[in-house]
Amino acid sequence: EADIYQTPRYLVIGTGKKITLECSQTMGHDKMYWYQQDPGMELHLIHYSYGVNSTEKGDLSSESTVSRIRTEHFPLTLESARPSHTSQYLCASSETGIYNEQFFGPGTRLTVL
Amino acid sequence: KNQVEQSPQSLIILEGKNCTLQCNYTVSPFSNLRWYKQDTGRGPVSLTIMTFSENTKSNGRYTATLDADTKQSSLHITASQLSDSASYICVVSDRGSTLGRLYFGRGTQLTVWP
Repeated sequence: EADIYQTPRYLVIGTGKKITLECSQTMGHDKMYWYQQDPGMELHLIHYSYGVNSTEKGDLSSESTVSRIRTEHFPLTLESARPSHTSQYLCASSETGIYNEQFFGPGTRLTVL
Repeated sequence: KNQVEQSPQSLIILEGKNCTLQCNYTVSPFSNLRWYKQDTGRGPVSLTIMTFSENTKSNGRYTATLDADTKQSSLHITASQLSDSASYICVVSDRGSTLGRLYFGRGTQLTVWP
């Protein structure tokens, strides 16, 4: 099993709250990613990072923001949650190199009421 | 437009039976293709990876095939077990960017009944 962790696993909050989803990996991977996945749908890349102090937006527009201050940590923040943000959020990491496998965390299931 | 299409959308089989899942893609330029298994409430886990020159790759009871000419792949599961119940996702990577961009299918939801 991959050494990549996400907390919380489940989160139910009210509209307007600020939330941070945590993601940590102990594999020393430079690349990290955040994906959004709705039931029965494909994963969509919302943010990625090549390394410390590097963050980029993915293909799917997202109101969330990310930071990469340490190699092992890649948190995602929503300043003001809305019901449209309800989804599963998956964090992943990989070594540098296009053949390298992305290892996924268990995900955070977010519900905004 | 780069796309990955999987079929069937869902499949129910009896324990011990074999099954084959299909994946068609239009991703170009092609780098590699992976099959991932995603258990309910968990993140995807890689089963196999194939590059352009590989036709078949096995991992235990899982055998993946790739036809790069027709841009098709299949995942064959032999002697299914209850623990095989999961979503199987086909993921294709392009080599047109340093990121190694991944394109995900929607997955085939496999249910194995006792």
